[in-house]
Amino acid sequence: ETGVTQSPTHLIKTRGQQVTLRCSSQSGHNTVSWYQQALGQGPQFIFQYYREEENGRGNFPPRFSGLQFPNYSSELNVNALELDDSALYLCASSLRGAPNSPLHFGNGTRLTVT
Amino acid sequence: LAKTTQPISMDSYEGQEVNITCSHNNIATNDYITWYQQFPSQGPRFIIQGYKTKVTNEVASLFIPADRKSSTLSLPRVSLSDTAVYYCLVGDFPGTYKYIFGTGTRLKVLA
Repeated sequence: ETGVTQSPTHLIKTRGQQVTLRCSSQSGHNTVSWYQQALGQGPQFIFQYYREEENGRGNFPPRFSGLQFPNYSSELNVNALELDDSALYLCASSLRGAPNSPLHFGNGTRLTVT
Repeated sequence: LAKTTQPISMDSYEGQEVNITCSHNNIATNDYITWYQQFPSQGPRFIIQGYKTKVTNEVASLFIPADRKSSTLSLPRVSLSDTAVYYCLVGDFPGTYKYIFGTGTRLKVLA
């Protein structure tokens, strides 16, 4: 069983730039969620994708967008980066339709915006 | 989604049993309780999930009283490697599309 993998592990960007983060879901999972975790805080829900469509969204502006591909992998795109976007970005997969399927997280991408 | 309340931090010594309690007064009938563990610079790791009474796996036990308004994660004989942040979540998984994490409980295990 292959776990959730994210790339890159670390990234440094300049304010105003755009960034794309990638996630491969755990084998057999069909749902991907993205979370932002600032230092010392719990993860904050960004959005979830199921069947290649956004299935729910947290309190994040439209410059945060995503994609899910037919193989269930996913991308998180952030436009017009701001300093406050510096955080650990976590991807998690789960199996929708399975009773109480917990989230399985990757180890995240550490984004630093300067 | 039911809000959860946990202690901000706890200290323990190696070999002791650690119990972390989470309050969730507004838990709904269909909600399950799930606990995650997170080490620095890693994603949260699923520990255990339960609905009522007691659930036990190879790493932890979860105690849920009859009213389900709280739950207790029990870690037997902790070691230094159990130092981490522990999160309690409540929701109708996977019907709940949005998992709400609190600030968690920072457990520090001392030698």
